[in-house]
This record gives sequence, C-alpha cells and structure tokens, in this order.
Amino acid sequence: EVVLTQSPATLSVSPGGRATLSCRASQSVSNNLAWYQQKPGQAPRLLIYGASTRATSIPARFSGSGSGTHFTLTISSLQSEDFSVYYCQQSNSWPYTFGQGTKLEIK
Amino acid sequence: QLQLQESGPGLVKPSETLSLTCTVSGDSISSSNYYWGWVRQPPGRGLEWVGSIHSSGNTYYNPSLKSRVTISVDTSKNQFSLKLSSVTAADTAVYYCARQPYGKYDYWGQGTLVTVSS
Repeated sequence: EVVLTQSPATLSVSPGGRATLSCRASQSVSNNLAWYQQKPGQAPRLLIYGASTRATSIPARFSGSGSGTHFTLTISSLQSEDFSVYYCQQSNSWPYTFGQGTKLEIK
Repeated sequence: QLQLQESGPGLVKPSETLSLTCTVSGDSISSSNYYWGWVRQPPGRGLEWVGSIHSSGNTYYNPSLKSRVTISVDTSKNQFSLKLSSVTAADTAVYYCARQPYGKYDYWGQGTLVTVSS
C-alpha cells in the first residue's frame, strides 16, 4: 500500500501570500496524483489531477507539480476562500490512498 | 449536471450492517466505463477510501475493511450501494459516494453521516 505523507500538518500564511504544500509517497506513483480542497461541512473538491492538470473551473492560482514520490501544490495570491484543508490522493495502484491532510490557516 | 446523492439510515446499532445507496443523475453508470467509489471521513479526521466498483461490476476494497465490505451496482436504477457488516463505533463517519474516472474523484455526493450507537 502506498502511504502518502503531507507536510506541514498546518500552514499559516497571510492573505495575498503564497502557500506551498507537500505530499510525499512511500513509493513511486508516477504522475497519478490528485489534490482536493475541503471546507467544513462540505465534500472535497477536485483541484488538480495527473499531478499538474487543473480541474474544470479551478483558478490559475492553483498549480501542481512533481512526479514519482514528491509532489507540491502551490497556491499563489491567497484569497480568503482558499483557507481550508487540502488532501493529496494517489491512483497509481490499489488500494488508492489519501494523505492525512494539510490545514491552511490565516496568519 | 452530474449529481450524486447518498441515502440510508443515519443510525446503525453495533454489530449490525450499514447500508447506503448512491443515486446518480446526469450520467449513466452502465455506459460510463468508470469506477464509482465510496470514501468515508470520521468526525474531525481525514479521508479514507472504502471501495470502488466499475460499471462492469469489478470491485476493489480497502484491505482494512475487505472482510466486511460489499459494493454492488444496479444499472437499471443508476445506483450503486455499500454494505458494511459488523459495524463498531469506529465506523461512525460521513460517507461520500463519488465518480472516479481514471483514478480521480471528480464529482462527489454531499455526504451522509452514519453514527454507530446502541
């Protein structure tokens, strides 16, 4: 089973700033990695798939990079609605797994 | 507009079977050639994949739950269902159903809270 480790657990950034979230896989997942945003009381929303492809209607300030075992989600020019929890998920091999999440909070 | 809606009891007794159904509108499960999955989230915790079913009926389950989980599909009703047997308090969670094309979850239901308690 592929274990995904996200860091940091909590990230404090000021509005207008830049956030960099990390996701590391215990073995290579190629580029089969997705990122989700989840706000309280809501279902997760797909942001990025294939490591770097933005999903439909996702603003350009969200970008993903990486391949193999190290991936990054970057959010530039943070807006108030971006402060939430972010999860990575691999689909390279069953069982598909999620990271434990990074909470992005206002500094 | 694709929509998924979970339904089922919100309260299940310990040792009994949790049963949920996901009704899909705006897409056809039978012709999609996609997987359709269940993901759960215990209160205050992260996301956990439960299992997935392909439009052909092929299934994959989380190994930690495999002995207790069954996912089935009813293409005539455009629904897929989850059964989790011998539940305990640790199975208390919000259960989401989602469409799963090529591994990613692109459309999600709103989620339904299932509490295991006597």
